[in-house]
Amino acid sequence: QSVLTQPPSASGTPGQRVTISCSGSSSNIGSNTVNWYQQLPGTAPKLLIYSNNQRPSGVPDRFSGSKSGTSASLAISGLQSEDEADYYCAAWDDSLNGHVVFGGGTKLTVL
Amino acid sequence: QITLKESGPTLVKPTQTLTLTCTFSGFSLSPSGVGVGWIRQPPGKALEWLAFIYWNDYKRSSPSLKTRLTITKDTSKNQVVLTMTNMDPVDTATYYCAHTHLRVGLSFDSWGQGTLVTVSS
Repeated sequence: QSVLTQPPSASGTPGQRVTISCSGSSSNIGSNTVNWYQQLPGTAPKLLIYSNNQRPSGVPDRFSGSKSGTSASLAISGLQSEDEADYYCAAWDDSLNGHVVFGGGTKLTVL
Repeated sequence: QITLKESGPTLVKPTQTLTLTCTFSGFSLSPSGVGVGWIRQPPGKALEWLAFIYWNDYKRSSPSLKTRLTITKDTSKNQVVLTMTNMDPVDTATYYCAHTHLRVGLSFDSWGQGTLVTVSS
């Protein structure tokens, strides 16, 4: 059972806009920033969004992140077939002397 | 260009101690703000954070694994070592090391390819 809650699956058609939610609590998302990772099949995760809404160099602006209260969202616009992957949210949790927590992951299917 | 590579045994027996080494290039653990973390992923399951260590030797580990984990750094060798004691079959996973920096918050912006560790007698 992951500390951060994500829907197990999401889907969309090419060109569509999809959002993936990440729900937490006051000790993690409610008081710290959220990061998002993309994991293509058989590869290591890649940082997609950090500090709620910042994109690392090289990440297309089709990807955007937001946070409100104890929840966060990743939005992908202009969906492409190569976006089919697993997506994970993560945040610092202040409880138990502090630790990093991940969501359970969302498998995005491009129909 | 930042690169990281994990090395260690691919198979360990239950109760044994696992030692994994992360050897990196393209950065040093000396400058302020730099850190290295470890994350694992059981087959078909989600990512799980294990531990991290920063340039100033500040370190944290997963509360659920804290008694079993030790993380150390060798700045001169550009290496970070993770040891996990009393291995169990549920610890079978791909283990990743990753670069982090305070400027990207507590995120991991470059990852190694990962190494699959199987725990079996």
